[in-house]
Amino acid sequence: DGGITQSPKYLFRKEGQNVTLSCEQNLNHDAMYWYRQDPGQGLRLIYYSQIVNDFQKGDIAEGYSVSREKKESFPLTVTSAQKNPTAFYLCASSMVAMGYTFGSGTRLTVV
Amino acid sequence: QKEVEQDPGPLSVPEGAIVSLNCTYSNSAFQYFMWYRQYSRKGPELLMYTYSSGNKEDGRFTAQVDKSSKYISLFIRDSQPSDSATYLCAMSGTGNDYKLSFGAGTTVTVRA
Repeated sequence: DGGITQSPKYLFRKEGQNVTLSCEQNLNHDAMYWYRQDPGQGLRLIYYSQIVNDFQKGDIAEGYSVSREKKESFPLTVTSAQKNPTAFYLCASSMVAMGYTFGSGTRLTVV
Repeated sequence: QKEVEQDPGPLSVPEGAIVSLNCTYSNSAFQYFMWYRQYSRKGPELLMYTYSSGNKEDGRFTAQVDKSSKYISLFIRDSQPSDSATYLCAMSGTGNDYKLSFGAGTTVTVRA
């Protein structure tokens, strides 16, 4: 079945650590996105990519980094520079002007 | 002012009631309008997709778009406890536009 797979489902990070969240899609979608969702807040765009080897910052890119080496994959690294990383992270993909398909999310907690 | 405004609720209704959700927006270039449903601790799933103004019906769900008022609505008829979720509106502009602008989401609880 086609879809988006995010892993892991739960992730714990120690202070000062970098962690990488995985996002893989087999929908042959051109564009991929990373969003952050905090309780009571909407989706905030971190980074997005419309083609391989190209990506753009979203509204809250500071403290995050991404790569897009393959069409199917768009990993997100949460660096130690991100001071408040505890949140629910959602990956999505789309074709132009169509709705997004979301993954099931990764819940990141700082311990 | 946010580009897309959505009342976060929460909204609590008895089973069988009609649920009415809405969003307003400021960007007149928006042409594609979507509603997503998100269950707790899950990713959002696309519920309804409409282009330009008008109504679209799918089972118990009806989406309405009024571009002249920059206002979109989602109605859920004969609501069920399984409809309890957060509903997010989303929209985008031209046909070459990948990015969506999201509302903050409205949390709905349908009481049995």
